[in-house]
Amino acid sequence: EAEVAQSPRYKITEKSQAVAFWCDPISGHATLYWYRQILGQGPELLVQFQDESVVDDSQLPKDRFSAERLKGVDSTLKIQPAELGDSAMYLCASSFILGAEQFFGPGTRLTVL
Amino acid sequence: TQLLEQSPQFLSIQEGENLTVYCNSSSVFSSLQWYRQEPGEGPVLLVTVVTGGEVKKLKRLTFQFGDARKDSSLHITAAQTGDTGLYLCAGGRVGKLIFGQGTELSVKP
Repeated sequence: EAEVAQSPRYKITEKSQAVAFWCDPISGHATLYWYRQILGQGPELLVQFQDESVVDDSQLPKDRFSAERLKGVDSTLKIQPAELGDSAMYLCASSFILGAEQFFGPGTRLTVL
Repeated sequence: TQLLEQSPQFLSIQEGENLTVYCNSSSVFSSLQWYRQEPGEGPVLLVTVVTGGEVKKLKRLTFQFGDARKDSSLHITAAQTGDTGLYLCAGGRVGKLIFGQGTELSVKP
């Protein structure tokens, strides 16, 4: 069964360090999403790609966060420098087209010390 | 501002009981999705409803979309311990999903 892959599953880092997360969407899915989920809350959209183009990054803290999907397939989300408040689950999701059902990966649990 | 309000936030019941989770908004959505999430994992899609008044059943789970497409409910009949998890509703608008804060369900044997 096709799945969204994410790595690493867990990441522990110290504040001011750089971290990067990787996502490989379901094959053929044009739209890719990065969400942040703080413990006890629902996911919040950080950035949305349609193929290699950013559709919406209005909630991405651009002073420290960056995201790319250079070839329109897999994607990387980077945080530099990490802050204590960045501790959360980072989820990647993909959909066949914009507005279609979204399927989530297992997430990366980030802990910033 | 929370666009989607879920209630209750926490629910602890005994196996065999019935329960209903509500998802309410003052805004209209083009679709409403329900997800279930286990600790340390990503959300898993349960159902999508798109038509006002639509009712979908998935074994012991019944999902309803409000007539005005502003609210939804999830009803579980005869809950089992395997139903334990975080239930999330998400409204679709302009190609994006807006999530509620979730309902943490614990079913005890």
